[in-house]
Amino acid sequence: EVQLVESGGGLVQPGGSLRLSCAASGFTFSSHWMHWVRQAPGKGLVWVSRLNDDGTRTSYADFVRGRFTISRDNAKNTLYLQMNSLRADDTAVYYCAKYYCSGGDCYGYMDAWGKGTTVTVSS
Amino acid sequence: DIVMTQSPDSMAVSLGERATINCKSSQSVLHSSNNKNRLAWYQQKPGQPPKLLISWASTRESGVPERFSGSGSGTDFTLAISSLQAEDVADYYCQQYYITPITFGQGTRLEIK
Repeated sequence: EVQLVESGGGLVQPGGSLRLSCAASGFTFSSHWMHWVRQAPGKGLVWVSRLNDDGTRTSYADFVRGRFTISRDNAKNTLYLQMNSLRADDTAVYYCAKYYCSGGDCYGYMDAWGKGTTVTVSS
Repeated sequence: DIVMTQSPDSMAVSLGERATINCKSSQSVLHSSNNKNRLAWYQQKPGQPPKLLISWASTRESGVPERFSGSGSGTDFTLAISSLQAEDVADYYCQQYYITPITFGQGTRLEIK
């Protein structure tokens, strides 16, 4: 069974930093591209970032570029999101999600999601 | 960026009736590499993460009830629920995966009338 478990959320002051983790199991993590998606309270889903299988190709939403860094440790089956210079509007539940990958091809729809970790940016 | 616009924002449908949600993309998401539309639909129930319902605009995921169907091509897509059940109360999102940044529609809240 595919499992994605996020951790690392919490309350942080504006301008602060957090590192989110996503522990993966039940699939070959090192073969899958991964996403981070967020959802502000009462709002819709917003894509944040994605990373390819070997960690060499990243993509970011404009509103986090230069502040957030996505990375992975395939030996630990873990995805990360380093968040710096946090702002109040970064307050959200952050989900990691798995790309659908088959036969070496990966497509950007999300066939498994974690339950999310909550980040609150407030003084 | 590709803008995804859903309609309506919310809707109330009677049990057993048909529900239809529309999604329009600001540019075509039909990819020439495989002639398939890079459009997915998700269901999100309160307090839960999203769940993938449909990929490639019309391919239902394993375990998703047959009453859910997706259709459309290019820029206009539809998610239909043929006979609404109480457990279908949720928010529904379309998503394009044609190009990054990946973008979602704003969501449609489906309730029981």
